[in-house]
Amino acid sequence: AQSVTQLGSHVSVSEGALVLLRCNYSSSVPPYLFWYVQYPNQGLQLLLKYTSAATLVKGINGFEAEFKKSETSFHLTKPSAHMSDAAEYFCAVSGRTNAGKSTFGDGTTLTVKP
Amino acid sequence: DVKVTQSSRYLVKRTGEKVFLECVQDMDHENMFWYRQDPGLGLRLIYFSYDVKMKEKGDIPEGYSVSREKKERFSLILESASTNQTSMYLCASSSPHGDRLYNEQFFGPGTRLTVL
Repeated sequence: AQSVTQLGSHVSVSEGALVLLRCNYSSSVPPYLFWYVQYPNQGLQLLLKYTSAATLVKGINGFEAEFKKSETSFHLTKPSAHMSDAAEYFCAVSGRTNAGKSTFGDGTTLTVKP
Repeated sequence: DVKVTQSSRYLVKRTGEKVFLECVQDMDHENMFWYRQDPGLGLRLIYFSYDVKMKEKGDIPEGYSVSREKKERFSLILESASTNQTSMYLCASSSPHGDRLYNEQFFGPGTRLTVL
């Protein structure tokens, strides 16, 4: 069984400020973890993924995430927010034995203020 | 690049109509998925398919059926549309092989369905 909890359905930051989106997971098997981004009226696209090669994962658009097994967390960060980062972000977990299914969090909407 | 296309971006149907949502992927992926997305509820899995003619129920299959006659195409069917099926529907695909064995999913642009 697996689950994902995203803390905070809405996060607002000023342009240039640090972005921190929180994700905690639960998985009965070693997980693969993902962050996806969804811009308005579009599908989801992959930002980054954790596959056990390295605990600090770098993705597109300057985002990165750190896998912390002891805290069962996979928080997404970006040092300096840009207006174009405004979107909805989804954390997802996939086990390595469940035929490709992922469980998604409820999403966090990021607003970037000028 | 993987491309997942969905037959319509916006669709308006009447209660009781039979509705077909089509999804096509061009990367020979084994797995395909249908989700619905509602505000505050994230993505909920309706059905998925891991091979031609194979399907499994997801978390919310009631009121839906699917068809996968060809590897590249996965159809979602609303047998008798109801107003509570008004939602955004997202199709995705993935492959458990090669550099995509980590199950990352590739999404289509979505179909926003309104049932009146």
